[in-house]
Amino acid sequence: AQSVAQPEDQVNVAEGNPLTVKCTYSVSGNPYLFWYVQYPNRGLQFLLKYITGDNLVKGSYGFEAEFNKSQTSFHLKKPSALVSDSALYFCAVRGGSSASKIIFGSGTRLSIRP
Amino acid sequence: GAVVSQHPSWVICKSGTSVKIECRSLDFQATTMFWYRQFPKQSLMLMATSNEGSKATYEQGVEKDKFLINHASLTLSTLTVTSAHPEDSSFYICSARSYRGPYYGYTFGSGTRLTVV
Repeated sequence: AQSVAQPEDQVNVAEGNPLTVKCTYSVSGNPYLFWYVQYPNRGLQFLLKYITGDNLVKGSYGFEAEFNKSQTSFHLKKPSALVSDSALYFCAVRGGSSASKIIFGSGTRLSIRP
Repeated sequence: GAVVSQHPSWVICKSGTSVKIECRSLDFQATTMFWYRQFPKQSLMLMATSNEGSKATYEQGVEKDKFLINHASLTLSTLTVTSAHPEDSSFYICSARSYRGPYYGYTFGSGTRLTVV
Protein backbone atom coordinates (compact mmCIF):
# COMPACT_ATOMS: atom_id res chain seq x y z
CA ALA A 1 0.00 0.00 0.00
CA GLN A 2 1.22 3.45 -0.75
CA SER A 3 1.56 6.11 1.90
CA VAL A 4 3.07 9.52 2.47
CA ALA A 5 4.16 11.09 5.71
CA GLN A 6 4.71 14.69 6.67
CA PRO A 7 6.26 14.41 10.14
CA GLU A 8 5.85 18.07 11.09
CA ASP A 9 2.46 19.58 11.72
CA GLN A 10 3.96 23.05 11.74
CA VAL A 11 7.17 24.69 10.64
CA ASN A 12 8.13 28.17 11.81
CA VAL A 13 10.77 30.17 9.97
CA ALA A 14 11.92 33.77 10.04
CA GLU A 15 11.55 35.73 6.83
CA GLY A 16 14.67 35.57 4.72
CA ASN A 17 15.82 32.25 6.18
CA PRO A 18 15.81 28.99 4.25
CA LEU A 19 12.90 26.65 4.82
CA THR A 20 12.40 22.91 4.54
CA VAL A 21 9.15 20.98 4.72
CA LYS A 22 9.70 17.27 5.05
CA CYS A 23 8.00 14.43 3.21
CA THR A 24 8.68 10.72 3.05
CA TYR A 25 6.79 8.16 1.05
CA SER A 26 6.19 4.49 0.47
CA VAL A 27 5.00 3.20 -2.87
CA SER A 28 5.31 0.27 -5.22
CA GLY A 29 7.28 0.94 -8.32
CA ASN A 30 8.52 4.33 -9.38
CA PRO A 31 6.82 7.14 -7.52
CA TYR A 32 5.09 10.18 -8.90
CA LEU A 33 5.57 12.90 -6.28
CA PHE A 34 3.83 16.24 -5.90
CA TRP A 35 3.77 19.28 -3.67
CA TYR A 36 0.69 21.47 -3.34
CA VAL A 37 -0.05 24.60 -1.35
CA GLN A 38 -3.41 25.53 0.11
CA TYR A 39 -4.53 28.93 1.33
CA PRO A 40 -7.53 29.28 3.68
CA ASN A 41 -10.81 28.17 2.12
CA ARG A 42 -9.17 27.57 -1.20
CA GLY A 43 -8.36 24.57 -3.34
CA LEU A 44 -4.88 23.25 -3.86
CA GLN A 45 -2.33 24.99 -6.01
CA PHE A 46 0.30 22.94 -7.75
CA LEU A 47 3.89 23.75 -6.82
CA LEU A 48 5.99 21.07 -8.43
CA LYS A 49 6.22 17.42 -9.31
CA TYR A 50 8.76 14.67 -9.80
CA ILE A 51 8.12 11.91 -12.29
CA THR A 52 11.52 11.17 -13.74
CA GLY A 53 14.77 12.93 -14.54
CA ASP A 54 16.81 15.23 -12.33
CA ASN A 55 16.42 14.63 -8.63
CA LEU A 56 16.23 18.36 -7.96
CA VAL A 57 12.93 19.73 -9.16
CA LYS A 58 12.23 23.44 -9.41
CA GLY A 59 8.70 24.71 -9.11
CA SER A 60 6.53 27.76 -8.63
CA TYR A 61 7.27 30.73 -6.35
CA GLY A 62 10.93 29.80 -5.92
CA PHE A 63 10.24 26.41 -4.32
CA GLU A 64 12.22 23.32 -5.13
CA ALA A 65 12.25 19.74 -3.94
CA GLU A 66 14.83 17.00 -3.96
CA PHE A 67 13.91 13.42 -4.72
CA ASN A 68 16.02 11.00 -2.68
CA LYS A 69 15.31 7.43 -3.64
CA SER A 70 17.46 5.80 -0.98
CA GLN A 71 15.78 7.78 1.79
CA THR A 72 12.36 7.71 0.07
CA SER A 73 12.06 11.43 0.68
CA PHE A 74 10.87 14.43 -1.28
CA HIS A 75 11.51 17.45 0.94
CA LEU A 76 10.29 20.87 -0.14
CA LYS A 77 12.77 23.72 0.13
CA LYS A 78 13.15 27.41 -0.49
CA PRO A 79 16.37 29.38 -0.02
CA SER A 80 14.74 32.52 1.37
CA ALA A 81 11.28 32.47 2.93
CA LEU A 82 8.67 35.17 2.44
CA VAL A 83 5.81 36.02 4.78
CA SER A 84 3.46 35.32 1.88
CA ASP A 85 4.69 31.70 1.85
CA SER A 86 2.69 31.11 5.03
CA ALA A 87 0.12 28.46 4.12
CA LEU A 88 -0.67 24.76 4.36
CA TYR A 89 1.54 22.48 2.29
CA PHE A 90 0.68 18.98 1.15
CA CYS A 91 2.95 16.33 -0.22
CA ALA A 92 1.29 13.71 -2.43
CA VAL A 93 2.37 10.48 -4.03
CA ARG A 94 1.08 8.17 -6.70
CA GLY A 95 2.41 4.74 -7.51
CA GLY A 96 3.76 3.72 -10.88
CA SER A 97 0.62 1.92 -11.96
CA SER A 98 -1.93 3.94 -13.88
CA ALA A 99 -4.53 2.54 -11.56
CA SER A 100 -2.81 3.96 -8.49
CA LYS A 101 -4.51 6.71 -6.56
CA ILE A 102 -2.91 9.92 -5.46
CA ILE A 103 -2.50 9.95 -1.69
CA PHE A 104 -1.95 13.08 0.35
CA GLY A 105 0.11 13.62 3.43
CA SER A 106 -1.42 15.13 6.53
CA GLY A 107 -0.18 18.59 5.66
CA THR A 108 2.35 20.95 7.22
CA ARG A 109 1.45 24.45 8.23
CA LEU A 110 4.26 26.81 7.32
CA SER A 111 4.42 30.04 9.28
CA ILE A 112 6.87 32.73 8.25
CA ARG A 113 7.43 35.48 10.80
CA PRO A 114 8.53 38.95 9.67
CA GLY B 1 -2.41 25.54 -18.41
CA ALA B 2 -4.98 23.07 -17.17
CA VAL B 3 -7.82 24.81 -15.32
CA VAL B 4 -10.57 23.26 -13.23
CA SER B 5 -13.60 25.27 -12.26
CA GLN B 6 -15.64 24.22 -9.24
CA HIS B 7 -19.03 25.69 -8.44
CA PRO B 8 -20.43 26.85 -6.10
CA SER B 9 -17.59 28.04 -3.91
CA TRP B 10 -19.84 27.96 -0.88
CA VAL B 11 -23.37 26.81 -0.16
CA ILE B 12 -25.66 26.71 2.86
CA CYS B 13 -28.55 24.28 2.83
CA LYS B 14 -31.16 22.94 5.22
CA SER B 15 -31.03 19.44 6.63
CA GLY B 16 -32.77 16.95 4.39
CA THR B 17 -32.19 18.80 1.16
CA SER B 18 -29.78 17.87 -1.63
CA VAL B 19 -26.89 19.91 -2.96
CA LYS B 20 -25.09 19.56 -6.28
CA ILE B 21 -21.48 20.58 -6.78
CA GLU B 22 -20.04 20.92 -10.28
CA CYS B 23 -16.50 20.38 -11.40
CA ARG B 24 -15.50 21.41 -14.93
CA SER B 25 -12.25 21.10 -16.79
CA LEU B 26 -12.12 24.27 -18.84
CA ASP B 27 -9.33 23.74 -21.33
CA PHE B 28 -8.76 20.02 -21.41
CA GLN B 29 -10.65 16.77 -21.42
CA ALA B 30 -10.64 14.88 -18.16
CA THR B 31 -11.53 11.23 -18.41
CA THR B 32 -10.90 10.88 -14.71
CA MET B 33 -11.89 13.22 -11.94
CA PHE B 34 -11.56 12.82 -8.20
CA TRP B 35 -13.65 14.06 -5.31
CA TYR B 36 -12.10 14.83 -1.95
CA ARG B 37 -13.40 15.88 1.40
CA GLN B 38 -11.40 17.97 3.80
CA PHE B 39 -12.23 18.50 7.46
CA PRO B 40 -10.86 21.54 9.27
CA LYS B 41 -7.11 21.36 9.77
CA GLN B 42 -6.95 17.94 8.18
CA SER B 43 -5.72 16.47 4.95
CA LEU B 44 -7.72 15.62 1.87
CA MET B 45 -9.55 12.33 1.99
CA LEU B 46 -10.37 10.75 -1.34
CA MET B 47 -14.07 10.00 -1.58
CA ALA B 48 -14.40 8.61 -5.07
CA THR B 49 -12.88 8.39 -8.50
CA SER B 50 -15.16 9.49 -11.30
CA ASN B 51 -14.68 8.04 -14.77
CA GLU B 52 -16.44 9.48 -17.78
CA GLY B 53 -19.22 7.25 -18.98
CA SER B 54 -19.04 4.74 -16.16
CA LYS B 55 -19.92 4.39 -12.52
CA ALA B 56 -17.77 6.07 -9.95
CA THR B 57 -15.46 4.06 -7.74
CA TYR B 58 -16.02 4.89 -4.10
CA GLU B 59 -13.50 4.59 -1.31
CA GLN B 60 -14.22 2.36 1.61
CA GLY B 61 -16.61 3.95 4.07
CA VAL B 62 -18.10 6.45 1.62
CA GLU B 63 -21.83 6.01 1.09
CA LYS B 64 -22.44 5.93 -2.63
CA ASP B 65 -26.16 6.50 -2.21
CA LYS B 66 -25.50 9.63 -0.22
CA PHE B 67 -22.76 11.06 -2.38
CA LEU B 68 -23.94 10.65 -5.95
CA ILE B 69 -21.32 11.21 -8.60
CA ASN B 70 -22.05 11.69 -12.28
CA HIS B 71 -19.44 12.10 -14.99
CA ALA B 72 -21.55 12.43 -18.10
CA SER B 73 -19.03 14.26 -20.26
CA LEU B 74 -15.28 14.64 -20.60
CA THR B 75 -15.40 18.07 -19.02
CA LEU B 76 -17.98 17.79 -16.26
CA SER B 77 -18.35 15.77 -13.11
CA THR B 78 -20.95 16.45 -10.44
CA LEU B 79 -21.20 15.47 -6.80
CA THR B 80 -24.66 15.51 -5.24
CA VAL B 81 -24.96 15.32 -1.49
CA THR B 82 -28.39 13.82 -0.91
CA SER B 83 -30.49 14.32 2.19
CA ALA B 84 -27.77 16.43 3.71
CA HIS B 85 -27.14 16.45 7.45
CA PRO B 86 -25.01 18.78 9.56
CA GLU B 87 -22.26 16.15 9.73
CA ASP B 88 -21.94 16.46 5.94
CA SER B 89 -20.71 20.02 6.42
CA SER B 90 -17.21 20.09 5.04
CA PHE B 91 -14.93 21.43 2.34
CA TYR B 92 -15.26 19.43 -0.88
CA ILE B 93 -12.59 19.60 -3.55
CA CYS B 94 -12.53 18.09 -7.01
CA SER B 95 -9.50 17.28 -9.09
CA ALA B 96 -8.98 16.31 -12.70
CA ARG B 97 -6.12 14.34 -14.13
CA SER B 98 -4.68 15.94 -17.24
CA TYR B 99 -2.24 14.88 -19.88
CA ARG B 100 -0.25 17.34 -21.98
CA GLY B 101 2.30 15.40 -23.95
CA PRO B 102 4.85 14.30 -21.38
CA TYR B 103 3.10 16.32 -18.70
CA TYR B 104 1.15 14.44 -16.11
CA GLY B 105 -0.64 16.26 -13.39
CA TYR B 106 -3.60 16.74 -11.16
CA THR B 107 -5.38 20.06 -11.25
CA PHE B 108 -7.65 21.02 -8.39
CA GLY B 109 -10.78 23.08 -8.23
CA SER B 110 -11.04 25.91 -5.74
CA GLY B 111 -13.26 23.89 -3.44
CA THR B 112 -16.82 24.14 -2.14
CA ARG B 113 -17.60 24.96 1.47
CA LEU B 114 -20.84 23.15 2.35
CA THR B 115 -22.69 24.11 5.52
CA VAL B 116 -25.79 22.16 6.45
CA VAL B 117 -28.05 23.84 9.00
